[in-house]
Amino acid sequence: GQQLNQSPQSMFIQEGEDVSMNCTSSSIFNTWLWYKQDPGEGPVLLIALYKAGELTSNGRLTAQFGITRKDSFLNISASIPSDVGIYFCAGCYGGSQGNLIFGKGTKLSVKP
Amino acid sequence: NAGVTQTPKFQVLKTGQSMTLQCAQDMNHNSMYWYRQDPGMGLRLIYYSASEGTTDKGEVPNGYNVSRLNKREFSLRLESAAPSQTSVYFCASRLGVSYEQYFGPGTRLTVT
Repeated sequence: GQQLNQSPQSMFIQEGEDVSMNCTSSSIFNTWLWYKQDPGEGPVLLIALYKAGELTSNGRLTAQFGITRKDSFLNISASIPSDVGIYFCAGCYGGSQGNLIFGKGTKLSVKP
Repeated sequence: NAGVTQTPKFQVLKTGQSMTLQCAQDMNHNSMYWYRQDPGMGLRLIYYSASEGTTDKGEVPNGYNVSRLNKREFSLRLESAAPSQTSVYFCASRLGVSYEQYFGPGTRLTVT
């Protein structure tokens, strides 16, 4: 099955740093979603994007729906320790099924 | 509102045993989904139910069956468990007017 190319696979952050990650696809999506997963928990929806070029913020998080509709970006500003976890992008073609295609995740850890 | 709930939280099975994973949502959502999450693989769709009374296969349906018992409940059954089914299983639901899916806390299944 198709999967999205999400990068980087992992990164280390120091408190206060800005973080960027992205997802790319060979297919066009109608919707991009970004989730965060803490250890032992289910994914939690952070941001939903519905229009090409759309830029949406949720607190310190900002996500963009790429204008080609084949990519999306997530930025976290001024990171804090509770930002650690795994971030997943998901694309949706739309339609009545509404099935999501997930990236493999970007793991955020604190710099030792 | 409990959101999406899943039982059990943990389960250990021997090869060949059967079990049913339970999922319920109290958000009056129309669509429900079952995913499995394996290390480095992201989330993969097993089965989904676009509405009460309908179910369809996802990307990795082999070895599983589902039942949409009513609008609230969607169960996943393993008839004869295999070690390859060791995974974390997530249930999700979606209202239908958007593509945002909301996840339960997961069931961690080990098959020995």
